[in-house]
Amino acid sequence: GAGVSQSPRYKVAKRGQDVALRCDPISGHVSLFWYQQALGQGPEFLTYFQNEAQLDKSGLPSDRFFAERPEGSVSTLKIQRTQQEDSAVYLCASSLGAPGGGTYEQYFGPGTRLTVT
Amino acid sequence: AQSVAQPEDQVNVAEGNPLTVKCTYSVSGNPYLFWYVQYPNRGLQFLLKYITGDNLVKGSYGFEAEFNKSQTSFHLKKPSALVSDSALYFCAVREGSDYKLSFGAGTTVTVRA
Repeated sequence: GAGVSQSPRYKVAKRGQDVALRCDPISGHVSLFWYQQALGQGPEFLTYFQNEAQLDKSGLPSDRFFAERPEGSVSTLKIQRTQQEDSAVYLCASSLGAPGGGTYEQYFGPGTRLTVT
Repeated sequence: AQSVAQPEDQVNVAEGNPLTVKCTYSVSGNPYLFWYVQYPNRGLQFLLKYITGDNLVKGSYGFEAEFNKSQTSFHLKKPSALVSDSALYFCAVREGSDYKLSFGAGTTVTVRA
């Protein structure tokens, strides 16, 4: 079946530009996560949605980062006024249920590689 | 706070030999443990998880992992490695009531023919 998809797969932005990264989770999945993966590192948590509610945004590096999931399915991660340190792979993951009530694993998309020049 | 350590940046084995990728974790409550594999330019693929029950967990592609509570470890194993197992492996943990996954830095596995 269809997995998690992300677009674009690659994005080059000039410093100061705004970017929007899209995530299409697996249909019916309640939970959606965004992670940031720097080169040579493991993914780092950015934010978590349960349906359309953003329950945790504690991992967002600055107020230039904003995420939304208005209808409880597709999510967008927006980065305003991009900086070179924002260069990374941004991974989206979804899981079937709400983690606190289950043992569900997260399924990851292929990621968007953002390069800020 | 929760964290994961993967003490080896790289593991090299010959095809047909056993493969072990080490992972230790730290959580304040009950651990939920996961292994993921990442191939170049692709997302993380789920391999297996430990939630509760039998300490030996079997997963995809012939991989298994052993949960050891006293050593706070969750090592990934495969009895006979294949060249196609060459990839980047991540161990992850979350506390049972939490939702955030904390990942290790990853271990690059190279299986030579």
